Amino acid sequence: GEDVEQSLFLSVREGDSSVINCTYTDSSSTYLYWYKQEPGAGLQLLTYIFSNMDMKQDQRLTVLLNKKDKHLSLRIADTQTGDSAIYFCAESINTASKLTFGTGTRLQVTL
Amino acid sequence: GAVVSQHPSWVICKSGTSVKIECRSLDFQATTMFWYRQFPKQSLMLMATSNEGSKATYEQGVEKDKFLINHASLTLSTLTVTSAHPEDSSFYICSASLSGGDVKPSYEQYFGPGTRLTVT
Repeated sequence: GEDVEQSLFLSVREGDSSVINCTYTDSSSTYLYWYKQEPGAGLQLLTYIFSNMDMKQDQRLTVLLNKKDKHLSLRIADTQTGDSAIYFCAESINTASKLTFGTGTRLQVTL
Repeated sequence: GAVVSQHPSWVICKSGTSVKIECRSLDFQATTMFWYRQFPKQSLMLMATSNEGSKATYEQGVEKDKFLINHASLTLSTLTVTSAHPEDSSFYICSASLSGGDVKPSYEQYFGPGTRLTVT
């Protein structure tokens, strides 16, 4: 079955860049997503990328996809304390299919 | 747009009772809704996929007789936890995908805020 892995924890200083990494095993993954979850809340979609893309930038967020290595990363520029949350990568085959989530990375932003 | 609500946001029930959780798409029609379960400090695990007007598809290991899912309309899906036990205590999250037709396909699922269930 599909397997999506992330490092558990990342700590950065306010103003620095954060890079959260994700690896997946399903080569048929077509859509890859990054979600943010704040304590006790649901998931907020941050951005997504199609498997035929290498990079996508949206304001402070940059997503890089290495399809050959099945590696996805999320870079947050100028990280703020409000960015502290758990970040999940997820993959799916199509828009109506189930999402397989990664294990989640807890981002801690320090002053 | 594309707002999904869940009700209740939290519930405490006694062991052996049943609890119903509602998931509503407020401003769009959702052909497909998904139910996830999240244990503390863990990832989301898909429980079942719910399509309007048909039986839900359950993931391996999820008891369909215990977690009853009904998707009666394009805007409402319900999850009923029957004969709840303390091990059913968890955070339950639903998501909804936009329907097709003339609507431009959306490449995302819209998530509800979650329902925290505590069984005592």
